[in-house]
Amino acid sequence: GAGVSQSPSNKVTEKGKDVELRCDPISGHTALYWYRQSLGQGLEFLIYFQGNSAPDKSGLPSDRFSAERTGGSVSTLTIQRTQQEDSAVYLCASSFQLGGQETQYFGPGTRLLVL
Amino acid sequence: AQSVTQPDIHITVSEGASLELRCNYSYGATPYLFWYVQSPGQGLQLLLKYFSGDTLVQGIKGFEAEFKRSQSSFNLRKPSVHWSDAAEYFCAVASMFSGGYNKLIFGAGTRLAVHP
Repeated sequence: GAGVSQSPSNKVTEKGKDVELRCDPISGHTALYWYRQSLGQGLEFLIYFQGNSAPDKSGLPSDRFSAERTGGSVSTLTIQRTQQEDSAVYLCASSFQLGGQETQYFGPGTRLLVL
Repeated sequence: AQSVTQPDIHITVSEGASLELRCNYSYGATPYLFWYVQSPGQGLQLLLKYFSGDTLVQGIKGFEAEFKRSQSSFNLRKPSVHWSDAAEYFCAVASMFSGGYNKLIFGAGTRLAVHP
């Protein structure tokens, strides 16, 4: 079946502009995660959604970052007033099981470059 | 705090040679462990996982990993490397949150180069 999809694949923006990154999880997966992969910080957790529950935003690096998940499926990560340090690969993952023996499946990522 | 250490940043092997990528974790409870592979410009692909039971787990592409609790290790192995195995490999441990979900904590990755 179809895996996790993300769009756009690549995004180049100017400092100070807002960007939106989209994630389509695997059909039927209830949990959705965003991670960021950057040269200096490696792979780091950003935010978690489970169904229609309130997300865990504990990994978001600043209040310029926000995310939403509509209808328990598609998620959008928004970065406002982008900074050069926001340049990274943003990875989305989804999973079916809650906690315990849960396997996260990743999308191809969105490569963001802030000039 | 939970952590994952991959001591080797970069490894080069010849095609057909055996491979072992090291991973050490720090986690208070029974760990759930994963190896992912990332080819250039791609996302993360799951190679294998350990939840419980047999400490030697088999994965895709001929990879296996062995969980050793006494050494806090989960090393990845392959008996004969192919040129297509050149990629970056990430070890991860699932850190259970109080909300009942898992945040993956990743190692820094090991970049594998394969000589023809």
